[in-house]
Amino acid sequence: AQKITQTQPGMFVQEKEAVTLDCTYDTSDQSYGLFWYKQPSSGEMIFLIYQGSYDEQNATEGRYSLNFQKARKSANLVISASQLGDSAMYFCAMRESVFSNDYKLSFGAGTTVTVRA
Amino acid sequence: DAGVIQSPRHEVTEMGQEVTLRCKPISGHNSLFWYRQTMMRGLELLIYFNNNVPIDDSGMPEDRFSAKMPNASFSTLKIQPSEPRDSAVYFCASSHSNQPQHFGDGTRLSIL
Repeated sequence: AQKITQTQPGMFVQEKEAVTLDCTYDTSDQSYGLFWYKQPSSGEMIFLIYQGSYDEQNATEGRYSLNFQKARKSANLVISASQLGDSAMYFCAMRESVFSNDYKLSFGAGTTVTVRA
Repeated sequence: DAGVIQSPRHEVTEMGQEVTLRCKPISGHNSLFWYRQTMMRGLELLIYFNNNVPIDDSGMPEDRFSAKMPNASFSTLKIQPSEPRDSAVYFCASSHSNQPQHFGDGTRLSIL
């Protein structure tokens, strides 16, 4: 079964507007972590933001914030004030059992964001 | 700080040839991961190491693929013999314990 689901294959957003990228996850663990990565057309994978399942507040990192809804098992990424350089593929990923020595991530299929001028 | 360094950046070779991809993780990181990215299958974890020891190789597609980590600063992923369906972008990533993984720029592999 898919552990990470990203239902939006592609999105368009106007420059300076905010965009929300959906991510839902499936786990029976109580302790897990959620990550978002950005992959521009040049191909590299860039870490953006992390949310732990026990974190009381939603993670924020500059223009990136995470709308974490534990009961719904969703961890949506919000990019505020979009810039042309935000055009990229965005991946949601999960690590289960964060207190174990198992550090592997499960990735979603990704969402392509295109920012329009 | 130097990031994860992968070589080569691009590799084009003929079917049947041996391919070796190399990775130098970030200094101090104790976990290393090999991923493969294709349009059809997305980003797949092939194998990962903790403290130079392979922990999970369940993603390695078949015996033609092998990976080694002889020391904390170097890892290889080898495909022998290579096939056209192995064409993909191969990423190496490293992390320190449960910190976020940092990725290299990837190796774009084309098997003709």
